[in-house]
Amino acid sequence: QQKVQQSPESLSVPEGGMASLNCTSSDRNFQYFWWYRQHSGEGPKALMSIFSDGDKKEGRFTAHLNKASLHVSLHIRDSQPSDSALYFCAAKGGSALGRLHFGAGTQLIVIP
Amino acid sequence: EAAVTQSPRNKVTVTGGNVTLSCRQTNSHNYMYWYRQDTGHGLRLIHYSYGAGNLQIGDVPDGYKATRTTQEDFFLLLELASPSQTSLYFCASSDGGGSYEQYFGPGTRLTVL
Repeated sequence: QQKVQQSPESLSVPEGGMASLNCTSSDRNFQYFWWYRQHSGEGPKALMSIFSDGDKKEGRFTAHLNKASLHVSLHIRDSQPSDSALYFCAAKGGSALGRLHFGAGTQLIVIP
Repeated sequence: EAAVTQSPRNKVTVTGGNVTLSCRQTNSHNYMYWYRQDTGHGLRLIHYSYGAGNLQIGDVPDGYKATRTTQEDFFLLLELASPSQTSLYFCASSDGGGSYEQYFGPGTRLTVL
């Protein structure tokens, strides 16, 4: 069973709209999170990390972490067609040093 | 920016065949990783290493061997390939520091007939 759960599996939003992606960990040892983005035909690339409770904003992207509920979200405002990609949530923690645990991903489609 | 290269980019083999996937990173990173990506499962960790000669088992290691010959080079070996190993394989590297940010290669698409 995957320790990092993502929802929804896929999401369509109009250009200029807000996209909201969710991620929950089932392991209380996972306290630090990453969002990765993968465009079609490419390898995943780190988008942003969040290690503290609250919001972290980078341009049009805002991540929110609630450690008590082990829930992290990613909000993309003013979505652009170039944001269409597969988004992974990844968690760091536990006893295995050096590794991340990835979720199954959310496919985002931004409709022009 | 960190550079990770993989070869070959595409590979077709038959059931029972031997396959070696290669990965090289030029970032002086300590950690290297092999993942497979399948629809509905995301990225699943096969093996990883924190230095030459070191090997750690991931979440889906059955049917795979790996070897880290140098800090730069990490190989994934499928000695008796099966159709269930048809997948997209990614290599990644990380400095293993506090952030654990991983840098991924472009991927190898493997088809086992």
